[in-house]
Amino acid sequence: NAGVTQTPKFRILKIGQSMTLQCTQDMNHNYMYWYRQDPGMGLKLIYYSVGAGITDKGEVPNGYNVSRSTTEDFPLRLELAAPSQTSVYFCASSGAGEGDEQFFGPGTRLTVL
Amino acid sequence: EDKVVQSPLSLVVHEGDTVTLNCSYEVTNFRSLLWYKQEKKAPTFLFMLTSSGIEKKSGRLSSILDKKELFSILNITATQTGDSAIYLCAESGNTPLVFGKGTRLSVIA
Repeated sequence: NAGVTQTPKFRILKIGQSMTLQCTQDMNHNYMYWYRQDPGMGLKLIYYSVGAGITDKGEVPNGYNVSRSTTEDFPLRLELAAPSQTSVYFCASSGAGEGDEQFFGPGTRLTVL
Repeated sequence: EDKVVQSPLSLVVHEGDTVTLNCSYEVTNFRSLLWYKQEKKAPTFLFMLTSSGIEKKSGRLSSILDKKELFSILNITATQTGDSAIYLCAESGNTPLVFGKGTRLSVIA
């Protein structure tokens, strides 16, 4: 099993550009999450999903969109990138939701210039 | 809003020392408290605590939860340079995991 995979590993965007961060898990987990981590800070939840077709906002959803058409995939879309979105983005999944161990992908380092 | 506070924010120790990392939380409908270790990349799971007073151990690491006083500690004995990392505490309540800012531990030879 590959676990949670994310692409790309690194990306530089110009202000106003858009992009999609990909996340795939092969553990048949129902729950998936997107976090961002700024330097010196913990992880902040952007969006999460409790199953295919169901998504919900986390703590910092503004400027992002998600979709969950399959159990395996949970892409994160950035529309009109801004410097404030420069961060490291982690995708995670878990089998049973709140309180259950989350497995993290390797992260995507995004810089918006 | 649920809140998790970790202390200290950073710590430098010598190999062989014992360290205690603290995590306090305020949460509605507490479900569990989790500890993660983050080295250069993604966080990796250490412990999940749901019951008060029961210590979880894994080698030189151990953790305990006090649900009455709303805190947890993570102990690392006989520290090694490989323990250098950011240690994240997270709690689960009404929402998915809420993370603290982490404690950056540096172990020097």
